[in-house]
Amino acid sequence: DAGVIQSPRHEVTEMGQEVTLRCKPISGHNSLFWYRQTMMRGLELLIYFNNNVPIDDSGMPEDRFSAKMPNASFSTLKIQPSEPRDSAVYFCASSFASGSNNEQFFGPGTRLTVL
Amino acid sequence: KQEVTQIPAALSVPEGENLVLNCSFTDSAIYNLQWFRQDPGKGLTSLLLIQSSQREQTSGRLNASLDKSSGRSTLYIAASQPGDSATYLCAVINAGGTSYGKLTFGQGTILTVHP
Repeated sequence: DAGVIQSPRHEVTEMGQEVTLRCKPISGHNSLFWYRQTMMRGLELLIYFNNNVPIDDSGMPEDRFSAKMPNASFSTLKIQPSEPRDSAVYFCASSFASGSNNEQFFGPGTRLTVL
Repeated sequence: KQEVTQIPAALSVPEGENLVLNCSFTDSAIYNLQWFRQDPGKGLTSLLLIQSSQREQTSGRLNASLDKSSGRSTLYIAASQPGDSATYLCAVINAGGTSYGKLTFGQGTILTVHP
């Protein structure tokens, strides 16, 4: 298995532009998570899906952020409009949630820079 | 609200030493605890997952223990090597609410093993 795949790996954009980050989870996994990592705040969960349904989006910072999971093999995280404070590394992770074994596997991340 | 703390924040040791990284969490009602490794500029690699019913897990030179009642976990690394240099992150999944794997992370311990 190729693991969790994220694209792009790096994104540089200007303030006000729309940014779309993409994620392909591990085949067979039923849960998908979006995290953001910054030096100041560490790793924060933004939103997670189970069976393509958003379960908890309380970590989404503002209405400028939205996430979708149209099918079991694809998810997007969109920021519109982007701001410099959104600069961070965004990780996608997936797991097969079964009882107490919910081991999560992370993608390589997308490093976003908003100028 | 679950809070996860890792001590020390940074650790520098000579090659060959055995070392212990500490993780504590405020809410002992957890499903499991997961240790990750993160290399600079990279994603997170899962090292070990301990289910709430277990007391320890071992993988090669790594041993992780869990004392749920006291809210503590330790990661023991035997015979450390320069290749072990990385940031080590501890994360817990709460038992309250959904069980779909919402991770709460500590801030990490930066480990440097020098030759």
